[in-house]
Amino acid sequence: DSGVTQTPKHLITATGQRVTLRCSPRSGDLSVYWYQQSLDQGLQFLIQYYNGEERAKGNILERFSAQQFPDLHSELNLSSLELGDSALYFCASSAGTAEKLFFGSGTQLSVL
Amino acid sequence: KNQVEQSPQSLIILEGKNCTLQCNYTVSPFSNLRWYKQDTGRGPVSLTIMTFSENTKSNGRYTATLDADTKQSSLHITASQLSDSASYICVVSASSNYQLIWGAGTKLIIKP
Repeated sequence: DSGVTQTPKHLITATGQRVTLRCSPRSGDLSVYWYQQSLDQGLQFLIQYYNGEERAKGNILERFSAQQFPDLHSELNLSSLELGDSALYFCASSAGTAEKLFFGSGTQLSVL
Repeated sequence: KNQVEQSPQSLIILEGKNCTLQCNYTVSPFSNLRWYKQDTGRGPVSLTIMTFSENTKSNGRYTATLDADTKQSSLHITASQLSDSASYICVVSASSNYQLIWGAGTKLIIKP
């Protein structure tokens, strides 16, 4: 158990809908990262937050947004969903930017 | 452009044999290099992190090496076990913007 909690584990929705994925980092970790992994593909970095502020941005679509709250949990919002958004979404946390990442078990999103 | 390239793309070996995975990077300025193991459908797990001054780091049967001059790293797995079947991902951190650059991974299959 990495200590990073992601909910829900599975999410099935329709095209055009909006969903919210939630992540609780390990106790004490200030950095939260979001990654997308499509079937048989590598991890694609979406966005990183550090202590509530956006630290780095990857190839995140404009339809996607995220935030980190004062209690350090984070949410990833995906809107106007398309079939191609179906993927495994991972959250990771670390104590700092030079520390190793601990990954959650992921949210499997299926857009039908 | 910051890039991380891994080879081979996939590898099949017999249980008990050793193997070496390669990682070449062009990330600058360099902060650290990490190796992660990812089982199918699960979040990556950290194996090692090496900074500029470290050229070898071990974690059980896993030994990572780093040559910062040639910008190459390798991950050596000794006496492979069936549970070593996974993707192994090389990740390089850029010190300028905290960005993590992920390789595409090497898919390792251990056969009995």
